[in-house]
This record gives sequence, structure tokens and C-alpha cells, in this order.
Amino acid sequence: GESVGLHLPTLSVQEGDNSIINCAYSNSASDYFIWYKQESGKGPQFIIDIRSNMDKRQGQRVTVLLNKTVKHLSLQIAATQPGDSAVYFCADPQRGGADGLTFGKGTHLIIQP
Amino acid sequence: DTEVTQTPKHLVMGMTNKKSLKCEQHMGHRAMYWYKQKAKKPPELMFVYSYEKLSINESVPSRFSPECPNSSLLNLHLHALQPEDSALYLCASRGTASYEQYFGPGTRLTVT
Repeated sequence: GESVGLHLPTLSVQEGDNSIINCAYSNSASDYFIWYKQESGKGPQFIIDIRSNMDKRQGQRVTVLLNKTVKHLSLQIAATQPGDSAVYFCADPQRGGADGLTFGKGTHLIIQP
Repeated sequence: DTEVTQTPKHLVMGMTNKKSLKCEQHMGHRAMYWYKQKAKKPPELMFVYSYEKLSINESVPSRFSPECPNSSLLNLHLHALQPEDSALYLCASRGTASYEQYFGPGTRLTVT
């Protein structure tokens, strides 16, 4: 069945360094992925998305890379700041998006001063 | 306005109580969702409403009863809950232009 998973539950990085959060998926038919950020006590917040016809997409300080061959995507955060501390989820819209999101397990990003 | 609001922020209820969670959005989105999130876990889909009609029920127990009175509002009626139902309940909405879902801040529910 379809699943979206993350390699590491916790990632600790120094402030100012780059962060890389990974996500693996199993459904070859998945054609769209979203990264969400969830800060403590808040709902998930959209960061960036990518379609399967793309290998890379850049936003403000964030880049998502998609490797369809190995069914892997990653979120890169440049110059990590204290405000980046949160849990990051990759998500896959089921059956075209109207049917809800399937979330990966999540990675807790911890920023060290 | 790209905000989804949820009330109450926190709710404590006994196992014999009846309560309701409310969600509201004014973005004109016609798809609305309820998710349940346990501590240190990802959100899990419970219900999907599309054009005010229930389209998905992810085998949720009948003690959770969703309602969509109009295109802006989504309720979740709670009755005879169990302590294991304690969780963060998230509401989300989505427009037709993208797959992005907008989430509310959630209601932190504790069942005693």
C-alpha cells in the first residue's frame, strides 16, 4: 500500500548551517508531494510542494529535491535559524488531493545556538 | 483571508459528556477535513467533506459525528468518548486550484 516515511525522527543542527530532511515513499504512482512545518502548539503550515515532473523546486531558503528512481525526496533549509525549530512532515495527497493527505512520520528539527 | 479558525482551543470532557468542535474558513474552499493527531505522531485523516457532503469516513468510530452546515463551517460532534481519544484535532480546507491544505491551529482535547 501507499506509505510516506522519514529516515530520522530528530535532526539537530547548528544555527547557520544547512539542514536536510529526508522522506521516502513507496507508491510509484504518487505524483505530488508537500512539505509541512508544524511548530509546537500549532497546526501544520505549508512550506513548499513539488510535482513528479520536476526534480527540484526552490523557495525562500528552502529547496525540495525529488528522486523518482529511488522514490525519495528531501527538504533542504539554508542557513537554519532558531525559528526553523519544528517538526517537518512530507505529505502525499491521496487519489488526486481531494481525499486527504497521508503524512510521513515527521522529523523534529532542533537548532543549536 | 487565508485563515482556518477552530474553537475551542482546549477542551476537557468526561466520558459521558457531549461536546462539539467547530471549524470555520472564509476562503471559499469546498473541501474540508478533520484530522486527529496524537502526541509525536503525524496527523491522521478522519473525515473529508466535499461540497458540504461527506465523501470519506476513514472508519472512524460513531462516537465522532461530523457535520457541515454550510460551505464555511465544519463541526465535529463528540459523545461518549474514551480517554484514548485525547488528541489534537485539526481542521483543514482546500481550494480547487491546488492540493495545498490550509490547517487550523487545532483543538487540544482531553477525555477524563
